[in-house]
Amino acid sequence: AQKVTQAQTEISVVEKEDVTLDCVYETRDTTYYLFWYKQPPSGELVFLIRRNSFDEQNEISGRYSWNFQKSTSSFNFTITASQVVDSAVYFCALSETGDEGAQKLVFGQGTRLTINP
Amino acid sequence: EAGVAQSPRYKIIEKRQSVAFWCNPISGHATLYWYQQILGQGPKLLIQFQNNGVVDDSQLPKDRFSAERLKGVDSTLKIQPAKLEDSAVYLCASSLRTSGWYEQYFGPGTRLTVT
Repeated sequence: AQKVTQAQTEISVVEKEDVTLDCVYETRDTTYYLFWYKQPPSGELVFLIRRNSFDEQNEISGRYSWNFQKSTSSFNFTITASQVVDSAVYFCALSETGDEGAQKLVFGQGTRLTINP
Repeated sequence: EAGVAQSPRYKIIEKRQSVAFWCNPISGHATLYWYQQILGQGPKLLIQFQNNGVVDDSQLPKDRFSAERLKGVDSTLKIQPAKLEDSAVYLCASSLRTSGWYEQYFGPGTRLTVT
């Protein structure tokens, strides 16, 4: 079965530091998708990125960047020059193909990131 | 475009009582999901609908949980009777379709406390 491991339960850094959130996954699917979601204190899950298993190019969006390495089954997330507003719980997720081709998400345990001023 | 709506936002009940949650997905989204998120954990899928049919309910505790999606739009999730371990946030999400991959958009959730 699919599994997502986020080994870092909590991370605390000072504002403007760079921080990397780790994500390791297990899957038997040959085609799959990886995701990162942000969950601020309000509780709503906010979609950040989706990555197809065939696309190993790293992606950068502003202060956010993602490093996908299929060889190590990792999909790490880096925030550059962190800001207080980045404080949230971050979830890595993996798509799982169920019956009839239905896709569902398997989430990691989450990493609580605190950015201190 | 309006997001996924859920109500109530908070609910406190005693064990063995019943409770129901409501979800209104994004207009035009055929697929609807209910997740359970226990404190300190990631969301876990309970049930997935495609229009008004169930696609996956393998992790739904069917002895006490039930869900329906009449007319393929709104959905309700019910717990009867509730147990202490049901205390969690119940998240509803929707996406355009089930096959292939389409982003899931999440609602704000309903925080349930069972005492």
